[in-house]
Amino acid sequence: GAGVSQSPSNKVTEKGKDVELRCDPISGHTALYWYRQRLGQGLEFLIYFQGNSAPDKSGLPSDRFSAERTGESVSTLTIQRTQQEDSAVYLCASSLGGANTEAFFGQGTRLTVV
Amino acid sequence: GQNIDQPTEMTATEGAIVQINCTYQTSGFNGLFWYQQHAGEAPTFLSYNVLDGLEEKGRFSSFLSRSKGYSYLLLKELQMKDSASYLCAVRDYSSASKIIFGSGTRLSIRP
Repeated sequence: GAGVSQSPSNKVTEKGKDVELRCDPISGHTALYWYRQRLGQGLEFLIYFQGNSAPDKSGLPSDRFSAERTGESVSTLTIQRTQQEDSAVYLCASSLGGANTEAFFGQGTRLTVV
Repeated sequence: GQNIDQPTEMTATEGAIVQINCTYQTSGFNGLFWYQQHAGEAPTFLSYNVLDGLEEKGRFSSFLSRSKGYSYLLLKELQMKDSASYLCAVRDYSSASKIIFGSGTRLSIRP
């Protein structure tokens, strides 16, 4: 596709339920990032995939969070047993992976846990 | 690890010039980015610096000093549409080259 695509754009879920967020990166982009943005705050790094290397999961806030990526395509971020503090916009970005290549962002998934 | 600092909020007047500063500490600096984010929208790329000096792109310029761990974004001839958050981000090769963002500076433009 022309840009990074995320789905769903909005998700309301009950506390304790699991949710799965999807990201389709730009074709050919080897690097993929997930960030969390709480209202009025900056981007909090969650996880980074680069080609076939082991992902950098150092930003995942707890073991309720996990992410997968199939080759150099789709990625899913899963949050188990959601809590109210998980409410945020989850942003996905992709890049070509070279040192001077910028990341392009999707429109995000706004997650609300009630 | 990384530490990125920028002011939380700034206000400027339409038609004027504003400079947004960013200081950073990283183990392995490998480039600095500036992004713009309008409320409710995704961040969009503005500039990239990896060598010392000034990069100019129309009304926007970005400066980098690697020895001082310092960058600024300069916006000239401010327009109302420039009201947005401006995010400083650093790529650190000691952390698998991921991109880490600062908390952002919310810029308000008054007429």
